[in-house]
Amino acid sequence: EIVLTQSPGTLSLSPGERATLSCRASQSVSSNYLAWYQHKPGQAPRLLIYGASSRATGIPDRFSGSGSGTDFTLTISRVEPEDFAVYYCQRYGNSPPWTFGQGTKVEVK
Amino acid sequence: EVHLLESGGGLVQTGGSLRLSCAASGFTFSSYAMSWVRRAPGKGLEWVSAISGGGGDTYYADSVKGRFTISRDNSENMVYLQMNSLRAGDTAVYYCAKLSRIAAAGTPDYWGQGTLVTVSS
Repeated sequence: EIVLTQSPGTLSLSPGERATLSCRASQSVSSNYLAWYQHKPGQAPRLLIYGASSRATGIPDRFSGSGSGTDFTLTISRVEPEDFAVYYCQRYGNSPPWTFGQGTKVEVK
Repeated sequence: EVHLLESGGGLVQTGGSLRLSCAASGFTFSSYAMSWVRRAPGKGLEWVSAISGGGGDTYYADSVKGRFTISRDNSENMVYLQMNSLRAGDTAVYYCAKLSRIAAAGTPDYWGQGTLVTVSS
């Protein structure tokens, strides 16, 4: 089973600042099948990034994903008030289980 | 517009059973795999189960294998999660998610709002 470790656990930022979230896999993620999700309390999770770097439909370009192999990054270029939420990475593709990271909370500083 | 609506959550005693349902609309249901993901109180997202578009392939997390059964009715655009032998650790909000392809290897690209399952002794 591939274990995904996200860091930091909590990121305290002011609106307009840059957010850099990390996701490290215990083994190489094949074909860069790595996705990022945003989750706000009481709402459905939202797909932001798939294939490590492709933005999902309707996602603003301030969100970007990068990385390959075992190290992946989600960057929010300038955090907007609506971006404060918990962010998860997930491995998908062949061979379950399709594990999630433990999440990074982006909170208001 | 893709819409997923979960139902069937509630309070159940340890060892009991519950059946979750997810009504899907806005896409060709049989062409996409579906999945269930849960979030326990104070914890992160946990993948639970997935089923291919045709229903012939099913997958489970080790934590629920042998207790939970996923199924789908492509004529009704419904996916189900039958949960038996429930434990306190199964307490969570359960989300239904559409996957991005017919095989269960796709990524969840649309999610429902979730339904709360509480297991209590």
